[in-house]
Order: sequence, then C-alpha cells, then structure tokens
Amino acid sequence: DVKVTQSSRYLVKRTGEKVFLECVQDMDHENMFWYRQDPGLGLRLIYFSYDVKMKEKGDIPEGYSVSREKKERFSLILESASTNQTSMYLCASSFGGYPGELFFGEGSRLTVL
Amino acid sequence: SQELEQSPQSLIVQEGKNLTINCTSSKTLYGLYWYKQKYGEGLIFLMMLQKGGEEKSHEKITAKLDEKKQQSSLHITASQPSHAGIYLCGADMTVIDFGNEKLTFGTGTRLTIIP
Repeated sequence: DVKVTQSSRYLVKRTGEKVFLECVQDMDHENMFWYRQDPGLGLRLIYFSYDVKMKEKGDIPEGYSVSREKKERFSLILESASTNQTSMYLCASSFGGYPGELFFGEGSRLTVL
Repeated sequence: SQELEQSPQSLIVQEGKNLTINCTSSKTLYGLYWYKQKYGEGLIFLMMLQKGGEEKSHEKITAKLDEKKQQSSLHITASQPSHAGIYLCGADMTVIDFGNEKLTFGTGTRLTIIP
C-alpha cells in the first residue's frame, strides 16, 4: 500500500518558534503537496513540488517555506510561527501526470500559543 | 469566494436512506475528484471524473459529472454508518499541462449517519 507518513500528529508550539513538519512517501511519487485545512475554508494549497529541489507556491505560501532535498521527503517550515497558523496540515503525493489521485498522510494538527 | 462550492455543508441522514452531495463551479472542470475524510485524518481518494456526462460507481457510491463539466454530484444509496465522514470534491481548474498538476478543493460536506 502507498504510505504517506507525517512526522507528528499533534504539535503545540509558541509564537515565534520555528516549526518543521516532515512528510515521507514510499511510492516514488514525483509530486508532493502541503495543504492546510481550516473549518469553513476547506483545503488550501501552501506549496507543492514536482521534483527534487523544485518547489512552487500554492495559494497561501506566506509565512511558509518548503524543502525537498530527496524525492521521498517534503518538509514544511514555519520560520516564525504565529497563532493564525494554528491548523491541520496535510501532506499528499501523486504520480506525475495524475494530478487528482492524491495520497494523503494522516495530518499534523498544529496549535500555536 | 470559493471556486468550488459544495452543498450541503452538513447532512444528517438516517441509516438506510439515500443522499446526494453536490459540487459546483462557475468554471469548466478539467478533472473532478471525490475524496472522503474520516474525522481528524487524511483524505482517501474515491473517484475521478473527466468527461462531460461521465458516471462512475463504487459499491454504493455513484458520482456524476454534468455535460457542461461544471457540476458534480455524489450519491450514496442505502447509507451505512461506515459512510460517515467528510466528503470533499477537488478539481483541476486549468487546462492540464506539464508542471501544473494541482487541485482546488471545495469546503467539504460533513455526513452523519444516525441509526
């Protein structure tokens, strides 16, 4: 089975802290994505990557950065966490050429105090 | 405003009843994808629709894409407790070209099944 693993299910951080969210997939997928999910707003795309060392801004990249040094790993970085970044973060991956068949991790629920 | 509107936002249905969830866009959809999310977990891919008028079924779930490719419906027949969760539609809103493979999602429909 395809597996997308997110490093932490629950995190609590303080305002101003640097936060790393890690995502690893084991299916050799080219594409990887970071979404955040908020009530009433649905899933919003933060960043995505089509290949190693490549990254593209999604719809809400402000306050975030990403890193993809290896094909299987895609990291989301909050340089200085703020309370409005409290959310559920979902990582997903897919084969190139199959944009909609995403495989999701279980999510990381981040609370920023 | 949302590019993809889902309705209803929430739905409470008695076990055994049928139900329909809608996903509507003002733009042509180049691919429409249905996902299910169990509470507090990631999304699971259900079905993909690409052609106008297309209909697909999996077990008791049927999804359709209208001829204009601007609206999709998800229909569940004889609902069961296992159908409970959040249903989201996702769409490719642009002409597919290499390097532009990303989805826009609706806000979701929360489905509760009562015994």
